[in-house]
Amino acid sequence: DAGITQSPRYKITETGRQVTLMCHQTWSHSYMFWYRQDLGHGLRLIYYSAAADITDKGEVPDGYVVSRSKTENFPLTLESATRSQTSVYFCASLAFSSDSYEQYFGPGTRLTVT
Amino acid sequence: DAKTTQPTSMDCAEGRAANLPCNHSTISGNEYVYWYRQIHSQGPQYIIHGLKNNETNEMASLIITEDRKSSTLILPHATLRDTAVYYCIVRVAQGAQKLVFGQGTRLTINP
Repeated sequence: DAGITQSPRYKITETGRQVTLMCHQTWSHSYMFWYRQDLGHGLRLIYYSAAADITDKGEVPDGYVVSRSKTENFPLTLESATRSQTSVYFCASLAFSSDSYEQYFGPGTRLTVT
Repeated sequence: DAKTTQPTSMDCAEGRAANLPCNHSTISGNEYVYWYRQIHSQGPQYIIHGLKNNETNEMASLIITEDRKSSTLILPHATLRDTAVYYCIVRVAQGAQKLVFGQGTRLTINP
């Protein structure tokens, strides 16, 4: 199916564990993004990627690592999870041209760190 | 990118037009206005964008004032499914390809 998918949809992990959130898109969009959304707040950008092997920090990158070896995948890793990283994580890809700019968001991963 | 200001919440009756304001008084000449919405627990969804002319698509209309310091998103015939948080975002077209989301407006459509 075409679109953007995230896995897992729900994850509970313990403090100090490493956890990887997966994001996959089928459009071959160059740009991809990771956001986090804490309860009752807006989205904050963690990392983004302009193309395979090109990544850059967003507003809140500390504690996260990303990689992008293939255009269609953009995994987000929490190297040592902390309770403050309990959040909903959204992945997005971008379709843009000279007169349009649209980010397509995945369904989100709800992560709880105990 | 310029900062935007939106009301925290709004209510609208089903079937009526919902008018969501956004203030972006520091907008630059090359910055676009974008609107996204986020229905409960889902990822945000693109609605519409504009530079200086009014825009309309199948979802909504965007009215930008002549001085570009504010805009209004109009949902012409609101339904219960339009209940969501609406984000107004300003960005430079040739800038970094990222969006900065504020707190948005929580729109509640009442039956």
